[in-house]
Amino acid sequence: EAGVVQSPRYKIIEKKQPVAFWCNPISGHNTLYWYLQNLGQGPELLIRYENEEAVDDSQLPKDRFSAERLKGVDSTLKIQPAELGDSAVYLCASSGNSNQQYFGPGTRLTVT
Amino acid sequence: SQQGEEDPQALSIQEGENATMNCSYKTSINNLQWYRQNSGRGLVHLILIRSNEREKHSGRLRVTLDTSKKSSSLLITASRAADTASYFCATNAGNMLTFGGGTRLMVKP
Repeated sequence: EAGVVQSPRYKIIEKKQPVAFWCNPISGHNTLYWYLQNLGQGPELLIRYENEEAVDDSQLPKDRFSAERLKGVDSTLKIQPAELGDSAVYLCASSGNSNQQYFGPGTRLTVT
Repeated sequence: SQQGEEDPQALSIQEGENATMNCSYKTSINNLQWYRQNSGRGLVHLILIRSNEREKHSGRLRVTLDTSKKSSSLLITASRAADTASYFCATNAGNMLTFGGGTRLMVKP
């Protein structure tokens, strides 16, 4: 069974540029999560989807961040415009009927 | 914001020794989970302990949970160099996981 797939794995952009991350969850998993992980810290939830509906986006900085999961499968997370402080690892996770979340390898973003 | 605090932040031991990591949290939980993260990789689920459980074992892992003290511990016995990683506790309330800051474990061969 394929795990959670994320792309790209690494991205370097200049500040004020837009960037997008893509996530393909485990087949059949209805719940999808985006997390932000700063260096040396634990992941922090940005947004949670149940199918195509965003049920918890309270930690998503909506002035520059947006996310979508149009058909309830793949999801994209976008930042526009990026700031220096957005440099971090962006993790995607998915879960099925159990409480266990399965994480992708993450996208490491560097904003210069 | 992160609910859990982990102690120690970093731990260095020799292969064969036991490693103990502690996690404290603030609010009521449904369960507590431990994850491992190798450098540059995603998180891997290790073990889940429910709020009505006090101890759980999985291979060389032993997890305890004390809900009265709002704390948990992860014990790795007979450590190996391959156990070198960051270990995170995560509390689960509803469908939300809230992670601690992690313990960076180094096991020297």
